[in-house]
Amino acid sequence: GAGVSQTPSNKVTEKGKYVELRCDPISGHTALYWYRQSLGQGPEFLIYFQGTGAADDSGLPNDRFFAVRPEGSVSTLKIQRTERGDSAVYLCASSLRGGPGETQYFGPGTRLLVL
Amino acid sequence: GNSVTQMEGPVTLSEEAFLTINCTYTATGYPSLFWYVQYPGEGLQLLLKATKADDKGSNKGFEATYRKETTSFHLEKGSVQVSDSAVYFCALSDRTNAGKSTFGDGTTLTVKP
Repeated sequence: GAGVSQTPSNKVTEKGKYVELRCDPISGHTALYWYRQSLGQGPEFLIYFQGTGAADDSGLPNDRFFAVRPEGSVSTLKIQRTERGDSAVYLCASSLRGGPGETQYFGPGTRLLVL
Repeated sequence: GNSVTQMEGPVTLSEEAFLTINCTYTATGYPSLFWYVQYPGEGLQLLLKATKADDKGSNKGFEATYRKETTSFHLEKGSVQVSDSAVYFCALSDRTNAGKSTFGDGTTLTVKP
């Protein structure tokens, strides 16, 4: 079956611009997660959705970052006024119900480069 | 807060050598522990997991045992292959923050023929 998909795979933008990153989770998975991975580091948690609502957004670094999941399936991560420090790989994952021992299935990531 | 500390890499081994990658953690309560692997050009995928103390996770010849007394979850494989070359990440999630996994910084393994 289809896994988690993310678009675009690469995004180059200029400092100050707005970007949207899309995640399409595995069908039927109610839990969806966004992480950010900088070079040489492990994924860093950003936000977790349970259905349509953000159950935990404590990892969002500041108010330039926002994410939505309006119908409980596809999610969009939105970054306003991008900065060079936002350059990273943005990973999306989904799991069936969101329990602590559940396997999270990761997408291939979107590589964002802010010039 | 939660944290995961992994053995620093990179690690280079010859084929059929024994592998250990150390992982220790700090967490509230009793977390679930995971090893994820990222092969070259591919996304993160689960390698194995353990959800309670003394559980052993295993997959593809890799094993890790959840040691509560030493707060560790070391990854081992008895005989590595060239195809095991990848980046390995140790991670945890705890019951009070079910959606939030905390990852180590990864260990790059290169296996030479």
